[in-house]
Amino acid sequence: AQSVTQPDIHITVSEGASLELRCNYSYGATPYLFWYVQSPGQGLQLLLKYFSGDTLVQGIKGFEAEFKRSQSSFNLRKPSVHWSDAAEYFCAVGAGNQFYFGTGTSLTVIP
Amino acid sequence: KAGVTQTPRYLIKTRGQQVTLSCSPISGHRSVSWYQQTPGQGLQFLFEYFSETQRNKGNFPGRFSGRQFSNSRSEMNVSTLELGDSALYLCASSLAVGRVTDTQYFGPGTRLTVL
Repeated sequence: AQSVTQPDIHITVSEGASLELRCNYSYGATPYLFWYVQSPGQGLQLLLKYFSGDTLVQGIKGFEAEFKRSQSSFNLRKPSVHWSDAAEYFCAVGAGNQFYFGTGTSLTVIP
Repeated sequence: KAGVTQTPRYLIKTRGQQVTLSCSPISGHRSVSWYQQTPGQGLQFLFEYFSETQRNKGNFPGRFSGRQFSNSRSEMNVSTLELGDSALYLCASSLAVGRVTDTQYFGPGTRLTVL
C-alpha cells in the first residue's frame, strides 16, 4: 500500500538558516511526488512536483527538492529561510488515481 | 481567475446532527476532491467527483457523502455527526479526473467542530 512518512512533526530554525524537511514514501512504481505548503487559515499551495527526469526540482519561493530512488525519499530544502516560511508543509505521492499525503511538518522560524 | 471557494468557513454542530459543506471549483475545472485534515493524521482522501459522478472514494463510512452539480460545484454531507468528525475539510479542484499529474488547487477549508 502507498504511504508517505514525514518523520519530523515540528522543526524550528533561525531566520537565514538552511532548511531540510524529510519525506519518505512507499510505492511500488515510480511515484509522482509533491510538496505543498499550508499557511494558517489557508488551503494547500503547491510548492513543487516531480514526475520524471532531473531528480533535483526547483519550486516556488526558493524551495527545491531532490528525489532519491534508492532511499525512497523526496526531501525539501531551502538555503535561507525567511520568517514568512513559517507554515505547515506536506509531502504527497500521486499513485494510481489518488493522492496520499504525509502527516505534515510544522515549521517555526525564529527571528 | 477566482480560486477555490468553500462555505461556510467555520461550523459548530452537536453530535447526531448532520452538516452540508459547499465547494466551488476554479472556473473550467471539472474535478472536485474532498479531504479531511486532522492533527496527526494529515489529509485523508474522502472522494472525488467529476461530471456529477463519484469517480473515486476513500475509506470513510457511509455517513460521508457528496454530490456534484452540473456547474461543477460540489457539496459534502456528513450525517449523524460524531466527535471524531471534528476536522478541517478541504476541497480541491483540478481539470480532469483521476490524473495525478494534474495540479490540485485547494480551497481554504471548512473548520467543523462537533460538540
